[in-house]
Amino acid sequence: KAGVTQTPRYLIKTRGQQVTLSCSPISGHRSVSWYQQTPGQGLQFLFEYFSETQRNKGNFPGRFSGRQFSNSRSEMNVSTLELGDSALYLCASSLGSDTPLHFGNGTRLTVT
Amino acid sequence: GESVGLHLPTLSVQEGDNSIINCAYSNSASDYFIWYKQESGKGPQFIIDIRSNMDKRQGQRVTVLLNKTVKHLSLQIAATQPGDSAVYFCAEIGNAGKSTFGDGTTLTVKP
Repeated sequence: KAGVTQTPRYLIKTRGQQVTLSCSPISGHRSVSWYQQTPGQGLQFLFEYFSETQRNKGNFPGRFSGRQFSNSRSEMNVSTLELGDSALYLCASSLGSDTPLHFGNGTRLTVT
Repeated sequence: GESVGLHLPTLSVQEGDNSIINCAYSNSASDYFIWYKQESGKGPQFIIDIRSNMDKRQGQRVTVLLNKTVKHLSLQIAATQPGDSAVYFCAEIGNAGKSTFGDGTTLTVKP
Protein backbone atom coordinates (compact mmCIF):
# COMPACT_ATOMS: atom_id res chain seq x y z
CA LYS A 1 0.00 0.00 0.00
CA ALA A 2 1.41 3.38 -0.96
CA GLY A 3 2.23 5.78 1.84
CA VAL A 4 1.27 9.40 2.28
CA THR A 5 2.51 11.49 -0.64
CA GLN A 6 3.22 15.19 -0.38
CA THR A 7 4.02 17.50 -3.27
CA PRO A 8 6.08 19.42 -3.94
CA ARG A 9 9.04 18.32 -1.87
CA TYR A 10 10.63 21.76 -1.81
CA LEU A 11 9.32 25.27 -2.42
CA ILE A 12 10.94 28.67 -2.40
CA LYS A 13 8.64 31.67 -2.28
CA THR A 14 9.00 35.36 -1.54
CA ARG A 15 7.19 37.36 1.09
CA GLY A 16 3.65 38.30 0.17
CA GLN A 17 3.13 35.40 -2.21
CA GLN A 18 0.79 32.51 -1.60
CA VAL A 19 1.44 28.79 -1.77
CA THR A 20 -0.57 25.59 -2.09
CA LEU A 21 0.68 22.27 -0.79
CA SER A 22 -0.82 18.94 -1.71
CA CYS A 23 -1.26 15.68 0.17
CA SER A 24 -2.49 12.27 -0.95
CA PRO A 25 -3.37 10.05 2.02
CA ILE A 26 -3.07 6.32 2.32
CA SER A 27 -5.89 4.60 0.47
CA GLY A 28 -8.84 4.14 2.79
CA HIS A 29 -7.77 6.83 5.26
CA ARG A 30 -10.41 9.50 5.58
CA SER A 31 -8.68 11.72 8.13
CA VAL A 32 -5.93 14.09 7.02
CA SER A 33 -4.04 16.35 9.39
CA TRP A 34 -1.47 19.05 8.73
CA TYR A 35 1.44 20.02 10.95
CA GLN A 36 4.09 22.71 10.81
CA GLN A 37 7.54 21.68 12.00
CA THR A 38 10.21 24.20 12.90
CA PRO A 39 13.37 23.82 14.99
CA GLY A 40 12.14 26.24 17.63
CA GLN A 41 8.48 25.26 17.88
CA GLY A 42 8.52 21.56 17.12
CA LEU A 43 5.42 19.99 15.58
CA GLN A 44 2.48 22.37 15.67
CA PHE A 45 -1.01 21.23 14.68
CA LEU A 46 -2.61 23.22 11.87
CA PHE A 47 -5.89 21.46 11.12
CA GLU A 48 -7.57 18.14 10.54
CA TYR A 49 -10.09 17.13 7.92
CA PHE A 50 -12.39 14.16 7.90
CA SER A 51 -14.77 13.41 5.03
CA GLU A 52 -14.24 16.88 3.54
CA THR A 53 -15.06 18.68 6.82
CA GLN A 54 -12.60 20.51 9.02
CA ARG A 55 -12.90 18.80 12.35
CA ASN A 56 -10.10 20.47 14.32
CA LYS A 57 -8.10 23.63 13.97
CA GLY A 58 -4.90 24.74 15.64
CA ASN A 59 -3.84 28.22 16.70
CA PHE A 60 -2.69 29.60 13.38
CA PRO A 61 -3.81 32.81 11.67
CA GLY A 62 -6.46 32.80 8.98
CA ARG A 63 -3.74 32.99 6.32
CA PHE A 64 -3.47 29.25 6.77
CA SER A 65 -6.34 27.32 5.25
CA GLY A 66 -7.03 23.90 3.92
CA ARG A 67 -9.55 21.68 2.26
CA GLN A 68 -10.21 18.06 1.58
CA PHE A 69 -11.67 16.57 -1.55
CA SER A 70 -14.10 13.70 -1.94
CA ASN A 71 -11.22 11.30 -2.65
CA SER A 72 -9.66 12.33 0.71
CA ARG A 73 -6.80 14.18 -0.95
CA SER A 74 -6.07 17.44 0.83
CA GLU A 75 -4.49 20.79 0.12
CA MET A 76 -3.34 23.53 2.39
CA ASN A 77 -2.88 27.12 1.38
CA VAL A 78 -0.86 29.86 2.96
CA SER A 79 -1.53 33.38 1.74
CA THR A 80 0.55 36.54 2.19
CA LEU A 81 3.63 34.57 3.12
CA GLU A 82 5.89 35.79 5.91
CA LEU A 83 9.50 34.89 6.64
CA GLY A 84 8.34 33.04 9.75
CA ASP A 85 6.29 30.65 7.62
CA SER A 86 9.50 28.93 6.53
CA ALA A 87 9.13 25.41 7.85
CA LEU A 88 8.58 21.77 7.04
CA TYR A 89 4.89 21.15 6.47
CA LEU A 90 3.82 17.63 7.24
CA CYS A 91 0.66 15.89 6.23
CA ALA A 92 -0.56 12.80 8.03
CA SER A 93 -3.46 10.47 7.38
CA SER A 94 -5.22 8.04 9.65
CA LEU A 95 -8.24 5.79 9.71
CA GLY A 96 -9.88 8.16 12.16
CA SER A 97 -9.75 9.41 15.70
CA ASP A 98 -7.73 7.49 18.22
CA THR A 99 -5.49 5.81 15.66
CA PRO A 100 -1.84 6.46 14.79
CA LEU A 101 -0.89 9.06 12.23
CA HIS A 102 0.94 8.08 9.05
CA PHE A 103 3.11 10.94 7.90
CA GLY A 104 4.39 11.95 4.52
CA ASN A 105 7.95 13.23 4.15
CA GLY A 106 6.80 16.81 4.08
CA THR A 107 7.13 19.90 1.95
CA ARG A 108 10.04 22.16 2.85
CA LEU A 109 8.89 25.76 2.37
CA THR A 110 11.42 28.56 2.35
CA VAL A 111 10.19 32.14 2.32
CA THR A 112 12.72 34.78 1.30
CA GLY B 1 -3.79 23.78 28.14
CA GLU B 2 -2.34 20.55 26.88
CA SER B 3 1.37 20.15 26.64
CA VAL B 4 3.62 17.20 26.22
CA GLY B 5 7.26 17.58 27.10
CA LEU B 6 10.40 15.51 26.92
CA HIS B 7 12.94 15.58 29.68
CA LEU B 8 16.09 15.74 27.55
CA PRO B 9 16.60 17.23 24.10
CA THR B 10 19.55 14.95 23.31
CA LEU B 11 20.70 11.50 24.30
CA SER B 12 23.92 9.77 23.28
CA VAL B 13 24.42 6.04 23.83
CA GLN B 14 26.91 3.37 22.84
CA GLU B 15 25.86 0.81 20.27
CA GLY B 16 24.48 -2.23 22.04
CA ASP B 17 23.41 -0.34 25.15
CA ASN B 18 19.79 0.20 26.12
CA SER B 19 18.25 3.63 25.61
CA ILE B 20 15.53 5.28 27.67
CA ILE B 21 13.72 8.34 26.39
CA ASN B 22 11.33 10.12 28.72
CA CYS B 23 8.26 12.25 28.28
CA ALA B 24 6.02 14.10 30.70
CA TYR B 25 2.46 15.08 29.85
CA SER B 26 0.14 17.49 31.58
CA ASN B 27 -3.38 16.44 30.59
CA SER B 28 -4.48 13.87 33.13
CA ALA B 29 -7.52 13.09 30.97
CA SER B 30 -5.34 11.81 28.12
CA ASP B 31 -5.95 8.16 27.38
CA TYR B 32 -3.84 7.38 24.34
CA PHE B 33 -0.14 7.92 23.73
CA ILE B 34 2.14 7.25 20.80
CA TRP B 35 5.88 7.27 20.20
CA TYR B 36 7.17 8.34 16.80
CA LYS B 37 10.63 8.20 15.25
CA GLN B 38 11.76 10.81 12.75
CA GLU B 39 14.84 10.21 10.63
CA SER B 40 16.58 12.97 8.75
CA GLY B 41 14.62 14.06 5.69
CA LYS B 42 11.58 12.00 6.54
CA GLY B 43 8.29 12.41 8.34
CA PRO B 44 7.69 10.86 11.77
CA GLN B 45 7.02 7.12 11.80
CA PHE B 46 4.86 5.25 14.28
CA ILE B 47 6.85 3.08 16.70
CA ILE B 48 4.51 1.97 19.44
CA ASP B 49 1.41 3.11 21.26
CA ILE B 50 -0.22 2.58 24.62
CA ARG B 51 -3.63 3.28 26.06
CA SER B 52 -4.28 4.49 29.58
CA ASN B 53 -5.67 1.16 30.74
CA MET B 54 -2.17 -0.31 30.36
CA ASP B 55 1.12 0.32 32.18
CA LYS B 56 3.45 -1.37 29.74
CA ARG B 57 3.50 -2.49 26.16
CA GLN B 58 6.25 -4.27 24.30
CA GLY B 59 7.19 -4.38 20.67
CA GLN B 60 10.22 -5.57 18.82
CA ARG B 61 13.18 -4.18 20.85
CA VAL B 62 10.98 -1.35 22.15
CA THR B 63 8.93 -1.03 25.32
CA VAL B 64 6.67 1.83 26.35
CA LEU B 65 5.92 2.44 30.01
CA LEU B 66 3.10 4.64 31.24
CA ASN B 67 2.90 6.01 34.76
CA LYS B 68 -0.41 7.81 35.09
CA THR B 69 0.23 8.80 38.70
CA VAL B 70 3.07 11.11 37.74
CA LYS B 71 1.95 11.59 34.13
CA HIS B 72 5.11 10.14 32.69
CA LEU B 73 5.79 8.11 29.58
CA SER B 74 9.01 6.42 28.56
CA LEU B 75 10.36 4.59 25.55
CA GLN B 76 12.97 1.93 26.08
CA ILE B 77 15.03 0.67 23.17
CA ALA B 78 16.97 -2.53 23.77
CA ALA B 79 20.38 -3.15 22.21
CA THR B 80 20.44 0.22 20.48
CA GLN B 81 21.73 0.15 16.91
CA PRO B 82 23.09 2.90 14.62
CA GLY B 83 19.81 2.77 12.68
CA ASP B 84 18.02 3.91 15.83
CA SER B 85 19.67 7.32 15.56
CA ALA B 86 16.80 9.74 15.01
CA VAL B 87 14.55 12.23 16.75
CA TYR B 88 11.92 10.62 18.96
CA PHE B 89 8.60 12.28 19.75
CA CYS B 90 5.93 11.34 22.20
CA ALA B 91 2.40 12.35 21.32
CA GLU B 92 -0.83 12.49 23.20
CA ILE B 93 -4.09 12.01 21.34
CA GLY B 94 -6.72 14.22 22.91
CA ASN B 95 -10.21 15.26 22.07
CA ALA B 96 -11.52 14.41 18.63
CA GLY B 97 -8.26 12.85 17.55
CA LYS B 98 -5.98 15.85 17.82
CA SER B 99 -2.37 14.82 18.48
CA THR B 100 -0.14 17.02 20.65
CA PHE B 101 3.57 16.38 20.23
CA GLY B 102 6.45 16.84 22.61
CA ASP B 103 9.58 18.71 21.56
CA GLY B 104 11.56 15.64 20.59
CA THR B 105 14.70 13.90 21.83
CA THR B 106 17.60 13.42 19.44
CA LEU B 107 19.14 10.00 19.96
CA THR B 108 22.70 9.50 18.74
CA VAL B 109 24.17 6.02 18.73
CA LYS B 110 27.95 5.85 18.89
CA PRO B 111 29.65 2.85 17.26
